[in-house]
Amino acid sequence: DAGVIQSPRHEVTEMGQEVTLRCKPISGHNSLFWYRQTMMRGLELLIYFNNNVPIDDSGMPEDRFSAKMPNASFSTLKIQPSEPRDSAVYFCASSNERGADTQYFGPGTRLTVL
Amino acid sequence: GEDVEQSLFLSVREGDSSVINCTYTDSSSTYLYWYKQEPGAGLQLLTYIFSNMDMKQDQRLTVLLNKKDKHLSLRIADTQTGDSAIYFCAEMGNTDKLIFGTGTRLQVFP
Repeated sequence: DAGVIQSPRHEVTEMGQEVTLRCKPISGHNSLFWYRQTMMRGLELLIYFNNNVPIDDSGMPEDRFSAKMPNASFSTLKIQPSEPRDSAVYFCASSNERGADTQYFGPGTRLTVL
Repeated sequence: GEDVEQSLFLSVREGDSSVINCTYTDSSSTYLYWYKQEPGAGLQLLTYIFSNMDMKQDQRLTVLLNKKDKHLSLRIADTQTGDSAIYFCAEMGNTDKLIFGTGTRLQVFP
């Protein structure tokens, strides 16, 4: 299995632009998680889906952030408009079931907003 | 709310043992995990322990859990330079959400 796939790996954009991050979970996994990692705040859970349905989006910073999972093999995290403080590494993770099998992380997308 | 705490840095000599500590507050934690993050990479699951266990050993890794004190530790025997990374402790309670600690940066010097 190729693992969790994220694209792009690096994104540099200007303030005000729309940014779309993409994730392909591991085939057969039914939960998908989006995280943001910064030096100041560490690793934060933004939102997670179970069977393509958003379960908890309490970590989404504000209305500029939105996430979708149109099918079991694809999810997007969109920021519109982007701001410099959104600069971070965004990770996607997927899991098959609660507990022991836990979450497998993608390599992350490093976002820089100028 | 739930909270997971770790010390930020640990420096050890190659060949020595490393012990990374973690405390958590959620008494309903069912699983506790250790993840490793190398520079520029995502988090890699190292090992986990179920909350009704006290210890788990996996090759050079030993996890100890003191549920009464809500304390988790990861011991790496014969630490190598390739073990240099950030180590995250995480706990899962009654939801599917993992709560991560701040991470401990382990530096191994020759």
